[in-house]
This record gives sequence, structure tokens and C-alpha cells, in this order.
Amino acid sequence: EAGVVQSPRYKIIEKKQPVAFWCNPISGHNTLYWYLQNLGQGPELLIRYENEEAVDDSQLPKDRFSAERLKGVDSTLKIQPAELGDSAVYLCASSLAGSDGYEQYFGPGTRLTVT
Amino acid sequence: AQKITQTQPGMFVQEKEAVTLDCTYDTSDPSYGLFWYKQPSSGEMIFLIYQGSYDQQNATEGRYSLNFQKARKSANLVISASQLGDSAMYFCAMILSGSARQLTFGSGTQLTVLP
Repeated sequence: EAGVVQSPRYKIIEKKQPVAFWCNPISGHNTLYWYLQNLGQGPELLIRYENEEAVDDSQLPKDRFSAERLKGVDSTLKIQPAELGDSAVYLCASSLAGSDGYEQYFGPGTRLTVT
Repeated sequence: AQKITQTQPGMFVQEKEAVTLDCTYDTSDPSYGLFWYKQPSSGEMIFLIYQGSYDQQNATEGRYSLNFQKARKSANLVISASQLGDSAMYFCAMILSGSARQLTFGSGTQLTVLP
């Protein structure tokens, strides 16, 4: 069974440029999460989807961050414009509905460097 | 609000010996789940073990066991017979049952296994 797929694995951009990350969850998982992980810290939730619906986006900085999950499968997280402080690892995870989120499976992450 | 504390930024252990990674948590909710994840240098978060707040017995998964002391609000991870491949960052995390399925992570412990 394929795991959570994320691309790109690494991205280097200049500040004020836009950037997008893509995530494909495990087949059959209709709950999808985007996390931000700063260096030396644990991941922090940005947004959670149940199918196509964003049910928890309270931690998403909506002035520059946006996300979508069309058709309730893969998802895209966008930053526009990027700032130096956005340099971090962006992790995507998925879990089965009805599992109460007890086991979230993570992708390898996208390491963003903003210069 | 829930909080996870990992007080050991770094730990060293000799190969084949056991090691305990500390985790304490804080929540007023009686129903919750506790997790340990491993994050190697490749970046992917790997699920190791889960303990529910109402579980009577400590969770075990192969060489991993969770020393759950509810009254002390601690959930320490014990790795027996350490292997070189165990060298990684280890995160303790908590989820409140029936909540927004948001995993709250600690700051992590960097474990290095010495040959």
C-alpha cells in the first residue's frame, strides 16, 4: 500500500514569490491534515479536511496561506507571498474517518527555504 | 488546552541497551490518546505506539513499550535493545477523543545510538 505522497520534497524560493505544495493521501483516507514543522520543534496543525470540507483551519494564516482539496482526495497548500519566516517543513498526513484520528500517517514533507 | 512536554532535547544510548524517553502531558479532559512518533533524518513521521487514557495495560509494539502513569500524567517511551537505526528524533503527541482530531506534539528528543 502506497503511503502519503508529497511533492516537491525540497523547494527554494525568494521572498515574495508564491509556492505550492501537493499531497496525495493514502487511498481511502478521507481525513487530510497539513502541518507546519519549524526546525527543532514538533509539527503544528495548519488545517484539517474531512473530504472536501476544511473543518479546522483556525491555525492557518489566511492572509497569505490557502489550501484546497477538490474532490476530497489530493490537496494543495499555497503560500503567496512567501516570507523568510515561512522556511520550514510542511507535512501532510491522512487518517481514516471513524478512526477518531488515532493513527495519522505522515508523508515525507516538503522542506521550504525562503531566501 | 492540552500540552505535551519533553524535557530531554538529546539522549545517547549504547547499542543493545534500553533507553527511556520522557513525556509528560497536561489535559483536563478524561478521554485522550497518547502517541509516539519517530522522525529520522529523511523527515517522515513514523507512528510507533499508541496508548488510550482508559487502557488498563501499557501498550507494547515489538521493542517499543509505553510506560503510562496516569496519575503522574506521564507517557514515557521505552526502547529495548537499541539499534543503530533507532537514531532519530522522537516525538510524543496527544489527541483529545472526540475533539477536532488535532494532534498536539512535544518538542521532541534527539536519540543517538552509539556503536
